[in-house]
Amino acid sequence: QKEVEQNSGPLSVPEGAIASLNCTYSDRGSQSFFWYRQYSGKSPELIMSIYSNGDKEDGRFTAQLNKASQYVSLLIRDSQPSDSATYLCAPCDSSYKLIFGSGTRLLVRP
Amino acid sequence: DGGITQSPKYLFRKEGQNVTLSCEQNLNHDAMYWYRQDPGQGLRLIYYSQIVNDFQKGDIAEGYSVSREKKESFPLTVTSAQKNPTAFYLCASSRTGGGIEKLFFGSGTQLSVL
Repeated sequence: QKEVEQNSGPLSVPEGAIASLNCTYSDRGSQSFFWYRQYSGKSPELIMSIYSNGDKEDGRFTAQLNKASQYVSLLIRDSQPSDSATYLCAPCDSSYKLIFGSGTRLLVRP
Repeated sequence: DGGITQSPKYLFRKEGQNVTLSCEQNLNHDAMYWYRQDPGQGLRLIYYSQIVNDFQKGDIAEGYSVSREKKESFPLTVTSAQKNPTAFYLCASSRTGGGIEKLFFGSGTQLSVL
């Protein structure tokens, strides 16, 4: 069974801090990785995608990938209360389907 | 505006009843997907389709059926065989089904049992 593990949280950080969200996955054949943000009662929206080992930065967001360790993370710099949401990690498995983790709930305190 | 439209937003099912959730996209995407989300859980794949008139079972297909007669439409039927249908249902599409493409999501349908 292909698995994606995330700490459910809530991860609570003060406004302006760095939030670090982590994800491990079991399918070594995964080649592409996605982070989605989901507000309560809403549909997920894509935040970041990463395909190669290392870091990828986009504004306040940085995705980090280590395929050898089967680990992917998302850093959010200068966290804002509007970042409070659930963040879903989604590797694309070796049969080209996205496998979603159960998400980490982030709470940014004003 | 291009996008994915799901309807209805809320749906109630009576015991033994089949219900159909609508999903329409005008993005000219080849691939379409149905996911189920239970409270506090991630998304689980029910069915997906990469081309018209073809679809595959996902991880939790039992009790559900789909059709893909048109590129734009991918309706999901929740049958009476699905004994625990209460969940948030999300339809998504991508340009291709190759796994590197961004998924676009509809706004979801909340299904509850009366």
